[in-house]
Amino acid sequence: AQSVAQPEDQVNVAEGNPLTVKCTYSVSGNPYLFWYVQYPNRGLQFLLKYITGDNLVKGSYGFEAEFNKSQTSFHLKKPSALVSDSALYFCAVRDNSGAGSYQLTFGKGTKLSVIP
Amino acid sequence: DTGVSQNPRHKITKRGQNVTFRCDPISEHNRLYWYRQTLGQGPEFLTYFQNEAQLEKSRLLSDRFSAERPKGSFSTLEIQRTEQGDSAMYLCASRAGDSIYGYTFGSGTRLTVV
Repeated sequence: AQSVAQPEDQVNVAEGNPLTVKCTYSVSGNPYLFWYVQYPNRGLQFLLKYITGDNLVKGSYGFEAEFNKSQTSFHLKKPSALVSDSALYFCAVRDNSGAGSYQLTFGKGTKLSVIP
Repeated sequence: DTGVSQNPRHKITKRGQNVTFRCDPISEHNRLYWYRQTLGQGPEFLTYFQNEAQLEKSRLLSDRFSAERPKGSFSTLEIQRTEQGDSAMYLCASRAGDSIYGYTFGSGTRLTVV
């Protein structure tokens, strides 16, 4: 079984400061990892994914994430937060062992609030 | 618009009524997923189609729920005899067969059962 934990329900950061949204995962095989962002009453927008290769993944809107296999983590980061980054962020994992639907398993989400 | 389209965007229904939602995936995507998202939670997997075949169903998908994907194009999700606990956002996602491609989500259908 695969699972994702986002330990913080909410993260508050001042505009211009760096931000980190934490994610840890559990899978039986090699993981594919994703970050999505959700604005109120909207669907999920893709930010970035880790498939293989470089542990530092760069994505949309200046976001990046670092894959750490030993710590089973995939934290989302941004060097300088914008008020417009305020939204709900979801980490998701997909197990690549064997065959199947390759469904994504999501964390509960972290609400990011960037304070002007 | 070449994204994933879901209709309607909002649906309010009385308890006990049947509702049907539609998802139009990206045309070249042969994999299609339905998820349900309740307030304060992440999306939870409901069911998966590869082309027209429904290959996997979650235990969350009770016998009141049915999904179809005729001809491997659009998909419908029907909920019969709706209950207040069915109130949620229903999300559809599609992807191409190559595993390196990401999953594209629609904007969802928000169901409110009163």
